[in-house]
Amino acid sequence: QVQLVESGGGVVQPGRSLRLSCAASGFTFSSYSIHWVRQAPGKGLEWVAVISYDGSNKYYGDSVRGRFTISRDNSKNTVYLQMNSLRAEDTAVYYCAKEDEQWLCFDYWGQGTLVTVSS
Amino acid sequence: EIVLTQSPGTLSLSPGERATLSCRASQSVSSSYLAWYQQKPGQAPRLLISGASSRATGIPDRFSGSGSGTDFTLTISRLEPEDFAVYYCQRYGSSPLFTFGPGTKVEIK
Repeated sequence: QVQLVESGGGVVQPGRSLRLSCAASGFTFSSYSIHWVRQAPGKGLEWVAVISYDGSNKYYGDSVRGRFTISRDNSKNTVYLQMNSLRAEDTAVYYCAKEDEQWLCFDYWGQGTLVTVSS
Repeated sequence: EIVLTQSPGTLSLSPGERATLSCRASQSVSSSYLAWYQQKPGQAPRLLISGASSRATGIPDRFSGSGSGTDFTLTISRLEPEDFAVYYCQRYGSSPLFTFGPGTKVEIK
């Protein structure tokens, strides 16, 4: 069965960096785009970034562009989200999600990892 | 930038009742790229409907989606106790590529 497992969350000071990982299994990882979606406490969902199946295309939401970098290692079935210059407003649960390439939506999600940006 | 608006913000209903949730886009959205998700407290979202009307794998047939252009609807024909949750619509387009609505909470009356 499809599994996505995020890790790397924690408490970090404003201006510092953090790297999240998303380990995938149960599907042909190298054939699918993977996304990061976040949810601030008590708030709705916000799309963060996507990386194409081979890593050649990457797109970002306006609020993170220039600060966050998405990457993948298909030999490890893992996607990463490098988050730099973190701000209090980046505090959220970060989910990775597999893309349904036909309908361009998110058909499988991880359980999420909490990032708290606080001094 | 296309904005998705969901209404009502909260829907108070009893088990067995019919729920009708609305998702309205500020500009026309391709029906192929409109999806609905369910999220329960402490859990990740779950895909319910893709392509505006296609149920995802394992989703009961009491869930149905419809609509086109700027107006889309998620209907739950008879609410089961496990259906009380928050529901989000989502679209793919441009700038930004992916957008979610603010959500509708379906609560027990």
